Amino acid sequence: AQTVTQSQPEMSVQEAETVTLSCTYDTSENNYYLFWYKQPPSRQMILVIRQEAYKQQNATENRFSVNFQKAAKSFSLKISDSQLGDTAMYFCAFMKHVDSGGGADGLTFGKGTHLIIQP
Amino acid sequence: NAGVTQTPKFRVLKTGQSMTLLCAQDMNHEYMYWYRQDPGMGLRLIHYSVGEGTTAKGEVPDGYNVSRLKKQNFLLGLESAAPSQTSVYFCASSYLSGRPQHFGDGTRLSIL
Repeated sequence: AQTVTQSQPEMSVQEAETVTLSCTYDTSENNYYLFWYKQPPSRQMILVIRQEAYKQQNATENRFSVNFQKAAKSFSLKISDSQLGDTAMYFCAFMKHVDSGGGADGLTFGKGTHLIIQP
Repeated sequence: NAGVTQTPKFRVLKTGQSMTLLCAQDMNHEYMYWYRQDPGMGLRLIHYSVGEGTTAKGEVPDGYNVSRLKKQNFLLGLESAAPSQTSVYFCASSYLSGRPQHFGDGTRLSIL
């Protein structure tokens, strides 16, 4: 079984600052996927970024980027130029790769980091 | 542009009552999932389905049953609700395993 650990229950930064959320995971799998999801007060689960473990290049999506360290089993999220709308719970999640026809696997989530962007 | 729709959005039940949560997706996705979210926790997988007519157990399946009679619908049933099942329930779907999951808006369920 996989486990995902987010060691920062809450973080607070000023608007326009850069913030990094940490995530570590434990798995014996070699091929898998990692995700960051955002959950604002509206309760929606919104995909922020996705990383494929076999790709060494770190994924980026506009102001969001990750630092994926496969050997260290670390997957941190960096938010640049933070905005008030970034205030939310952020969840790191893991999914193992399943070959086509081999079924599926759900997401394993960490407990989340509550990020507060101060004006 | 509905995506994933969950019905109802909120429900209060008494211990021992039964109910069914409905999840419908209009994206022709094969894979569908049910999660629960408790305070201070991330989402945990209850059951999932890899296609019409198939279901499988996730991390916390006890006390729940599911059915996928049509590709677009995934039903979650509570036969005899217990206070420990008070939670927010999320349905999700994806095109392929490993692809991003699209989530519904959640159902807040309270068991008294």
